[in-house]
Amino acid sequence: GAVVSQHPSRVICKSGTSVKIECRSLDFQATTMFWYRQFPKKSLMLMATSNEGSKATYEQGVEKDKFLINHASLTLSTLTVTSAHPEDSSFYICSGRGLGPETQYFGPGTRLLVL
Amino acid sequence: GENVEQHPSTLSVQEGDSAVIKCTYSDSASNYFPWYKQELGKRPQLIIDIRSNVGEKKDQRIAVTLNKTAKHFSLHITETQPEDSAVYFCAASTSGTYKYIFGTGTRLKVLA
Repeated sequence: GAVVSQHPSRVICKSGTSVKIECRSLDFQATTMFWYRQFPKKSLMLMATSNEGSKATYEQGVEKDKFLINHASLTLSTLTVTSAHPEDSSFYICSGRGLGPETQYFGPGTRLLVL
Repeated sequence: GENVEQHPSTLSVQEGDSAVIKCTYSDSASNYFPWYKQELGKRPQLIIDIRSNVGEKKDQRIAVTLNKTAKHFSLHITETQPEDSAVYFCAASTSGTYKYIFGTGTRLKVLA
C-alpha cells in the first residue's frame, strides 16, 4: 500500500514553455500533498504544501506564479512550471500524506530539463 | 523555522560493520522524525521513524535514537551490507503542518 505515482518521469522542453507534472496517490486518499525540488547530490527542498480543495502554501522564496499547484481531488495534485527556464531544470518529487498522521509517501520523481 | 543538520555527509564502512548517522534539529516543537533511504535517481523510501514520546526504536538491523533535550537523533545500521549503500536523509516534522524539513543527506558506501 501507500503508492504514489508521478507523470511524466522525465521531460525535456524548450525555454519559455510550460510543463505540467502529475502526482497521484494510487491506493490511499492524500489529504495533503507536498512538492519538493532536488538538485543533483543535494537534499530535498520543500516547495509547497497542498491540501485538497485549498490553495497551496508556498515556502519562502518559491514563486507561486511560477510554480502553479492544483490539488483538485484526494488522489491528484499537479505542478505546472510556467515559462520554464534552464535554471528550473531539476528533479521534482511529490509526496502524499494520508494513511498515518505524519508519514509521507514519495512519488518516483520527474526529471525536468529545460533547454 | 526548523533547521536540520546532518553528519557526516559521506560515510564508508566495511561490510558487516555498523554505521551511525546523526542529525540535530532546532525547533523544540518538532515531534516526528523519519529516516529515508534514496538510491540514485529513485524515490526516497521510509526506513524507520520515531515520535517524540519514544527514546528508541528498532527494526531488525536498523535503529533510531532520539534525545529531545539535546534535540538530536541518530540512525544506527548494524551488520551493514552492500545493498545498504545509498543516500540517507533525516527529517523533522511538526504536528499541525506535517511539513518535513530534511537534513542534507549522508552518502553511505558499504565496501564488500
